[in-house]
Amino acid sequence: AQSVTQPDIHITVSEGASLELRCNYSYGATPYLFWYVQSPGQGLQLLLKYFSGDTLVQGIKGFEAEFKRSQSSFNLRKPSVHWSDAAEYFCAVGAQDSGYALNFGKGTSLLVTP
Amino acid sequence: DSGVTQTPKHLITATGQRVTLRCSPRSGDLSVYWYQQSLDQGLQFLIQYYNGEERAKGNILERFSAQQFPDLHSELNLSSLELGDSALYFCASSVGAGAAEQFFGPGTRLTVL
Repeated sequence: AQSVTQPDIHITVSEGASLELRCNYSYGATPYLFWYVQSPGQGLQLLLKYFSGDTLVQGIKGFEAEFKRSQSSFNLRKPSVHWSDAAEYFCAVGAQDSGYALNFGKGTSLLVTP
Repeated sequence: DSGVTQTPKHLITATGQRVTLRCSPRSGDLSVYWYQQSLDQGLQFLIQYYNGEERAKGNILERFSAQQFPDLHSELNLSSLELGDSALYFCASSVGAGAAEQFFGPGTRLTVL
């Protein structure tokens, strides 16, 4: 069955420290991969996407993600976290055989400490 | 601002009632997706419309229905509401029916009492 797993429910990092949020997927077809961020009471904002090509993709707000086919992973990274990055982060996968509707992971809640 | 609008922002109603949620996609986008976000189920895809036609269905209950109108706005109708239908309902739009980024609206928070 198709699935998206975000193993970490909560992550706490110090401001200025680096960040890596994990995402693993299980899909038969070639997936299209996304990271979204949701601030409290807000909608979802697209951080970055991977469709094909270069496996390291750059997004907004200084985020990047790397697609690793052999590990079925699409981890999100940021070299230096700011307090304003505190939010809920969702990995999502779309595929042709599911009409490109997004299948979301459960999310990782990021807390940034001073 | 994603360019996707949803009304109303909040909706409080009673069990057994029927409500309609409205979504206007970004200018030029032909696809509309509906998602439900709840604490226990997370974010789940409900249904997709493309240029007025139903394109894909997800975990949508039979009590729920949707449509997309000629001006491309979409409505999600929820009937015979139950307490468990309380959730945040998001609409997203994309330019086509294939692989494309989806832009999300601010959501409608539904509370069923």
